[in-house]
Amino acid sequence: EAGVTQSPTHLIKTRGQQATLRCSPISGHTSVYWYQQALGLGLQFLLWYDEGEERNRGNFPPRFSGRQFPNYSSELNVNALELEDSALYLCASSSSSWGQAGELFFGEGSRLTVL
Amino acid sequence: DAKTTQPNSMESNEEEPVHLPCNHSTISGTDYIHWYRQLPSQGPEYVIHGLTSNVNNRMASLAIAEDRKSSTLILHRATLRDAAVYYCILRVSSGTYKYIFGTGTRLKVLA
Repeated sequence: EAGVTQSPTHLIKTRGQQATLRCSPISGHTSVYWYQQALGLGLQFLLWYDEGEERNRGNFPPRFSGRQFPNYSSELNVNALELEDSALYLCASSSSSWGQAGELFFGEGSRLTVL
Repeated sequence: DAKTTQPNSMESNEEEPVHLPCNHSTISGTDYIHWYRQLPSQGPEYVIHGLTSNVNNRMASLAIAEDRKSSTLILHRATLRDAAVYYCILRVSSGTYKYIFGTGTRLKVLA
């Protein structure tokens, strides 16, 4: 069974540009989570999608946005890139939401570098 | 927001047990305690989770305090491959529903 896949693996952009990152969850998983991990730091929660809807977002500005498609894959968009957006962006999927323990399965991440 | 507190780093000798502590004094009754670990240049991987009772699986054991304000991840025999950052997180179930990651404990295993 394929795990969580993310693309691209690496992305280099310049300040002010837009970046789009993609995530395919494990088959059958309906929840997708996005996290930002700056170099040497912990994971900061960005967004949670479930059944096509945005369910929650972390303390990030509106230029961080995303969506979840009918096949449960997801896209993270970062507009007006700033240097501090350089980080590893991790996607995780889960098979359950309300009332369950919800083990997360992570992808290998997309490393975004903003020059 | 509920949060967790872990030591920044710990060391262990190979083939010895390791006890990784975590404090979560603001935990609510329905919040699950999860542990993940992140090996270098990889995404985090699930280790174990629990709600109230101690839990065992092939990777580790999770000991949860009676008041649930702290927990301990136990690696019974550390190997060099266990060197990683270990995250204790709360799976918050009330309203907001999200996973809150702390800064983690970097475990160094000495040969």
